[in-house]
Amino acid sequence: GENVGLHLPTLSVQEGDNSIINCAYSNSASDYFIWYKQESGKGPQFIIDIRSNMDKRQGQRVTVLLNKTVKHLSLQIAATQPGDSAVYFCAENNYGQNFVFGPGTRLSVLP
Amino acid sequence: DTGVSQNPRHKITKRGQNVTFRCDPISEHNRLYWYRQTLGQGPEFLTYFQNEAQLEKSRLLSDRFSAERPKGSFSTLEIQRTEQGDSAMYLCASSLGRSRRETQYFGPGTRLLVL
Repeated sequence: GENVGLHLPTLSVQEGDNSIINCAYSNSASDYFIWYKQESGKGPQFIIDIRSNMDKRQGQRVTVLLNKTVKHLSLQIAATQPGDSAVYFCAENNYGQNFVFGPGTRLSVLP
Repeated sequence: DTGVSQNPRHKITKRGQNVTFRCDPISEHNRLYWYRQTLGQGPEFLTYFQNEAQLEKSRLLSDRFSAERPKGSFSTLEIQRTEQGDSAMYLCASSLGRSRRETQYFGPGTRLLVL
């Protein structure tokens, strides 16, 4: 069945360092992925997406990498800032079905 | 503010009471989604609307739950005879497009606590 999960439930990084948040998925038919950021008391906020015909996509300070061979997704945040502290979710979509969200990784940025 | 809004932001109720939440999507978004999120977990799909039509309901949505979107704009989610297990964050999201692949924009959520 579908299973979206994260390798690390928590991640602590020094301010200014790069962060890498990982996500594993088991449904090889999933063809669209989104990373969301959720701050305390707020709803998830769209960060970046990627379709299965790509293996890399860059945004402002963020990069998403997709490795379909091993069904792995990662979110890289460059020069991590205190405002990046939040829970990050990956979500997968299979040909227009409902999004399935992973359990989330909490990113803590240390001063 | 042109984002998704939800009211109330917090709700505390006693077991057995009925509660109703409201979601106002981004203007002109034709799709509206309800999710439930428990602590430390990602959102779980409950139901979604395309305009005023409710097209899918999750098995998580028991018969105590009902959602409406009467005019294809705002939506309400009602929980009857609340149980302690209903305590969660209820999130609403909206999108514009022809499929569920379109980016969904979330509201701030309504946090429900059932005592």
